[in-house]
Amino acid sequence: DAGVTQSPTHLIKTRGQQVTLRCSPKSGHDTVSWYQQALGQGPQFIFQYYEEEERQRGNFPDRFSGHQFPNYSSELNVNALLLGDSALYLCASSKRTSGGYNEQFFGPGTRLTVL
Amino acid sequence: KQEVTQIPAALSVPEGENLVLNCSFTDSAIYNLQWFRQDPGKGLTSLLLIQSSQREQTSGRLNASLDKSSGRSTLYIAASQPGDSATYLCAVSRKWTNAGKSTFGDGTTLTVKP
Repeated sequence: DAGVTQSPTHLIKTRGQQVTLRCSPKSGHDTVSWYQQALGQGPQFIFQYYEEEERQRGNFPDRFSGHQFPNYSSELNVNALLLGDSALYLCASSKRTSGGYNEQFFGPGTRLTVL
Repeated sequence: KQEVTQIPAALSVPEGENLVLNCSFTDSAIYNLQWFRQDPGKGLTSLLLIQSSQREQTSGRLNASLDKSSGRSTLYIAASQPGDSATYLCAVSRKWTNAGKSTFGDGTTLTVKP
């Protein structure tokens, strides 16, 4: 089991550009969540996908959008990049149960630098 | 709005010492609480998951406790080693019917000196 994988590992963009980050969940998981982690802070929830639909969203602007595919993999898109979007972007997968979510497993992250 | 606080922000101890990391949360209506470890520039590694109905979980030298009524969790590390040096994060989640997202603290950075 490869666990949660993310690509690319690092990315450098300039202000105003658009970026797409990718995530493959752990085998058997059906839910993908995306988080943004600024240096020295805890991860901040961006949104969560289940059954190819956005189910929950954190306090992030519409410039942040996503998608989940039938194989449960997911993409995070960020448009009109700002300097403040520079961060480590983390993907987490979990298996939804009748009572809620089980343990979350995180990928290695994508380091995005906006110049 | 759920808020999670971890104190202290940084901790330095000599090798072999037992230590406790603290996590507090403002809304006790949680589904579970999870402790993670993060090495510099890396992703998060899950250490322990405590469901809201549980009081504690143990894995090797790690023991996590949960007191929902007081909004607190502790992570106890026994016989610390230099390899334990990392940032430790706690996260709480609510049931998906209300809000399935996790709220994280800013972490405690632990340094274990040989």
